Amino acid sequence: KQEVTQIPAALSVPEGENLVLNCSFTDSAIYNLQWFRQDPGKGLTSLLLIQSSQREQTSGRLNASLDKSSGRSTLYIAASQPGDSATYLCAVIGGGADGLTFGKGTHLIIQP
Amino acid sequence: NAGVTQTPKFRILKIGQSMTLQCTQDMNHNYMYWYRQDPGMGLKLIYYSVGAGITDKGEVPNGYNVSRSTTEDFPLRLELAAPSQTSVYFCASSPLGNSNYGYTFGSGTRLTVV
Repeated sequence: KQEVTQIPAALSVPEGENLVLNCSFTDSAIYNLQWFRQDPGKGLTSLLLIQSSQREQTSGRLNASLDKSSGRSTLYIAASQPGDSATYLCAVIGGGADGLTFGKGTHLIIQP
Repeated sequence: NAGVTQTPKFRILKIGQSMTLQCTQDMNHNYMYWYRQDPGMGLKLIYYSVGAGITDKGEVPNGYNVSRSTTEDFPLRLELAAPSQTSVYFCASSPLGNSNYGYTFGSGTRLTVV
C-alpha cells in the first residue's frame, strides 16, 4: 500500500525567505505527483503536476521536483510572502483508477 | 466553467439521520472521487467511479453509498449518520485515473454529526 509522508508537519518562517517542503512515498511505481494548496476552511487548489517522465515543474515562484527512484519530491517556494501561508498537500497518482494518495500536509506560516 | 460543484457547504446532522452530499462537474470527466478529510490528516478515499454506472470502494467506504447515473453527477449518501462521520468531504474529478491533467477538487462539504 502506498504511503505518503510530508516533512515538516509545520513550518514558520519570516517573509522573504526561500523554503523547501518535502514529500516522500513508499512505492516508486507512480504515474504523476500533484502538489496542492489548501487555505483554512477551503478546498484544494492545484499548484503543480509532475508527470513521471519529468523531473521538475515550475510556476512563478514555485518549483517542484520529482525523483521517482528515491521516492521523493520537493516543493521549493522562493521569496516567500504572507499570502503563501496555507497547508500544502502532496499526492501521488498510481497506475490504477483509485485516485490520489495524500500526505498529511505541511502547515506553512509566513511571518510579515 | 464551474468545474466541480458541491452542495451543501455546511450541514449539521443528528445521529441516525441520513443525507446526500451532491457533487456535479461540467468538464465531461469520466473519473470522479469522494474523499474525507479529518483534522490533521490527509484525505482518504471513500468511493470512486470510472464512468456512469460504475462505482467502486475506496479505503474507507463503510457507512456510505454512491451512485453514478450520469457523467456529471456523483452523489454520496450517508445512511444512519454517526459522530465518526463528522468530517470535511471533498469531491474530485479527472479525465483519467492517471491523467496528465491532474485532479480538480470541489470546495468541500463540512459535516457535523451530533
